Amino acid sequence: GENVEQHPSTLSVQEGDSAVIKCTYSDSASNYFPWYKQELGKGPQLIIDIRSNVGEKKDQRIAVTLNKTAKHFSLHITETQPEDSAVYFCAASVGGTSYGKLTFGQGTILTVHP
Amino acid sequence: EAQVTQNPRYLITVTGKKLTVTCSQNMNHEYMSWYRQDPGLGLRQIYYSMNVEVTDKGDVPEGYKVSRKEKRNFPLILESPSPNQTSLYFCASSLSMRNTGELFFGEGSRLTVL
Repeated sequence: GENVEQHPSTLSVQEGDSAVIKCTYSDSASNYFPWYKQELGKGPQLIIDIRSNVGEKKDQRIAVTLNKTAKHFSLHITETQPEDSAVYFCAASVGGTSYGKLTFGQGTILTVHP
Repeated sequence: EAQVTQNPRYLITVTGKKLTVTCSQNMNHEYMSWYRQDPGLGLRQIYYSMNVEVTDKGDVPEGYKVSRKEKRNFPLILESPSPNQTSLYFCASSLSMRNTGELFFGEGSRLTVL
């Protein structure tokens, strides 16, 4: 089955700096890669996603890049703010008959210091 | 308000005492899923359901049961809980996973098995 590795496990930055979280996946058939943000005491929420026919996607201060050849994808947050502090999860999903299975990475605890 | 509701939010129980964690969504979503979250392991899928009366195993189904008799409800059943099932559980739903889509998570149920 799919295996998703996420790094780093913790990331500490100063407000205004950029933050990058990286994920690798094992199944070359995976074609959907979402990122979720989990605030303290809450369930995860989708912040951005990318499909395999796209190399990069941006939404304001957040961007995701995908390298299908290397089987890795990354989340980039620019001009970080204290409210970006949260746990971030990447995930990968295979289409076709296995599209019900979404495999998550281990999570990254991001702390943005004012 | 569109939401996924889980109950109970917190539960302490003892080994072997059957329990059910309920999950209900009011968005008419086809797809529902259960995850457990453990430190360093991220979110691991327990079971998922594509639609009413259709359920399938995720990555860690051992010790759990589910049923999907109605579209809005997807209870998680622990027939004989054990301490290794102490975890934070999340229910999630999505309109349809056929083309993959946003998962909406509940707020979580923290279960402790003594």
